[in-house]
Amino acid sequence: QKEVEQDPGPLSVPEGAIVSLNCTYSNSAFQYFMWYRQYSRKGPELLMYTYSSGNKEDGRFTAQVDKSSKYISLFIRDSQPSDSATYLCAMRTGANSKLTFGKGITLSVRP
Amino acid sequence: DTAVSQTPKYLVTQMGNDKSIKCEQNLGHDTMYWYKQDSKKFLKIMFSYNNKELIINETVPNRFSPKSPDKAHLNLHINSLELGDSAVYFCASSHRTAEAFFGQGTRLTVV
Repeated sequence: QKEVEQDPGPLSVPEGAIVSLNCTYSNSAFQYFMWYRQYSRKGPELLMYTYSSGNKEDGRFTAQVDKSSKYISLFIRDSQPSDSATYLCAMRTGANSKLTFGKGITLSVRP
Repeated sequence: DTAVSQTPKYLVTQMGNDKSIKCEQNLGHDTMYWYKQDSKKFLKIMFSYNNKELIINETVPNRFSPKSPDKAHLNLHINSLELGDSAVYFCASSHRTAEAFFGQGTRLTVV
């Protein structure tokens, strides 16, 4: 079993839809959780960063962490064509530890 | 005022050559990383340095040698390049438990 599993894609939704992206993990030592967005031929750009369980909201984006189920989610409300990108979940155990990534899911938002 | 910058952005070279990629961060972070992204967009850690000391060295061929002259710089030298080394290499930096920021990537093509 891989340390971090991410829902396979690709995912195509109409503009305005609510998008739910999910990752599960097996290492209970993970404490810090991130979502990155990567446009084609660009570097990963940090979207959300959360510590331990709970929810965090930033504009149209909500990150959710459930450590008891080892499950994290990213919700995108009122999706826009500009949200079309690859989304990567990442997590780490502690200070200076490596980030372990999911495989990424490619999202396409149709106008 | 780029936070994490890599050079070069593109690198095309012949098999057997030796090449270097440079990375600099102006965020004041204490930890820097090299990640490799394959054709399926999977990001895998290669190396990590904390305050110029190597702290993570994943299973990477000896042909890859990182060097950190100071906290703000991390370079990657690759000897005897092989076709399978073709990928996008990302530099990243972080501070303790905080989120990691990535550079724009170096697209290496070995022909």
